[in-house]
Amino acid sequence: TQLLEQSPQFLSIQEGENLTVYCNSSSVFSSLQWYRQEPGEGPVLLVTVVTGGEVKKLKRLTFQFGDARKDSSLHITAAQPGDTGLYLCAGASSGGGADGLTFGKGTHLIIQP
Amino acid sequence: DAGITQSPRHKVTETGTPVTLRCHQTENHRYMYWYRQDPGHGLRLIHYSYGVKDTDKGEVSDGYSVSRSKTEDFLLTLESATSSQTSVYFCAISDSQVHEQYFGPGTRLTVT
Repeated sequence: TQLLEQSPQFLSIQEGENLTVYCNSSSVFSSLQWYRQEPGEGPVLLVTVVTGGEVKKLKRLTFQFGDARKDSSLHITAAQPGDTGLYLCAGASSGGGADGLTFGKGTHLIIQP
Repeated sequence: DAGITQSPRHKVTETGTPVTLRCHQTENHRYMYWYRQDPGHGLRLIHYSYGVKDTDKGEVSDGYSVSRSKTEDFLLTLESATSSQTSVYFCAISDSQVHEQYFGPGTRLTVT
């Protein structure tokens, strides 16, 4: 069974600060995705990383896939209250099957004004 | 946004009652998934489908069955609901080699 460990589980910071969320595994993934979920809604896809070492930027969010494709990080610069939410990482198995994604348990992020 | 709807959005039912949740997509995506989300456990895969009438079990399939008779519809059935099946259920769709998934709004099910 593939596992994805996310850290921290909870993070509360002030508006304007920077933060990094980590997603780690002992397994290799063919791709890794980050989702953001707000209360009462389904997760929304933010980004997919496929290549080891890949870095993608989405405005103030920077996503990195580890060289060995076992881990990933999400860095937010100058956090805003609108960034508040549950951030989930999810990995697709390297076997390429259609059997869904392995999800981390998520990081609850609160940005205080 | 991907065209995915789930019905009902909320349901309260009694232990031992059969329950069917519906997921409907307008994207013509090949793959469909049912997850449950619980505090402390995150999202866990119940069943998935890789085509019409082609389904398979996920991590937590006991007590659940699924059917997919049309590309656009994926049904999740709890044959005899138990309190441990109280959860939020999400449907997702995908049509990508990297398995990018798009989620529905969820169904909150309470079994009393």
